[in-house]
Amino acid sequence: GIQVEQSPPDLILQEGANSTLRCNFSDSVNNLQWFHQNPWGQLINLFYIPSGTKQNGRLSATTVATERYSLLYISSSQTTDSGVYFCAVERDSNYQLIWGAGTKLIIKP
Amino acid sequence: ETGVTQTPRHLVMGMTNKKSLKCEQHLGHNAMYWYKQSAKKPLELMFVYNFKEQTENNSVPSRFSPECPNSSHLFLHLHTLQPEDSALYLCASSQEHGFSYEQYFGPGTRLTVT
Repeated sequence: GIQVEQSPPDLILQEGANSTLRCNFSDSVNNLQWFHQNPWGQLINLFYIPSGTKQNGRLSATTVATERYSLLYISSSQTTDSGVYFCAVERDSNYQLIWGAGTKLIIKP
Repeated sequence: ETGVTQTPRHLVMGMTNKKSLKCEQHLGHNAMYWYKQSAKKPLELMFVYNFKEQTENNSVPSRFSPECPNSSHLFLHLHTLQPEDSALYLCASSQEHGFSYEQYFGPGTRLTVT
């Protein structure tokens, strides 16, 4: 089945720093979502981005489907950005999201 | 606020108990999902309902029993669980299943089996 790899697994930054999170996938996909899971477990949709670039405030994402990767950019990090960032992809063969292991981000004040 | 609510938020139960988890979505979606999230593991899809019909059961033990009375509500009935079933149980919904729609998640129920 399709493999989803996220890097880095852990990231510790000072408030105000910028970061780039990466998601590689092993086959073509027709859905890719980025989620943020806060320390209390709530998963929040960040982007639905099977291809192209999107921006939402300090966050932006780019998916290069032909090269099978997606990047999540966080600029001017805030402590509330802490949590785990997940990438999940879906193929049209079974329409199930396949999840990466996540990147745990800690933003220090 | 994602439009998906779950109750209870925390649950502690013994191995002989019977309990139920509840999920409700206010998004007008037709597909609902149960996921299990254990420590250090990726999310695992358990069940999918599309227009109230179960379309996926990912080899989940029979001690977990889902129920979907309508498109807005989803239950997970629990009985004779094992300590290894302790995890965060997440409910999600999407417009439909079978197409690539975004999934929206509830806050989860953190289950501890003693």
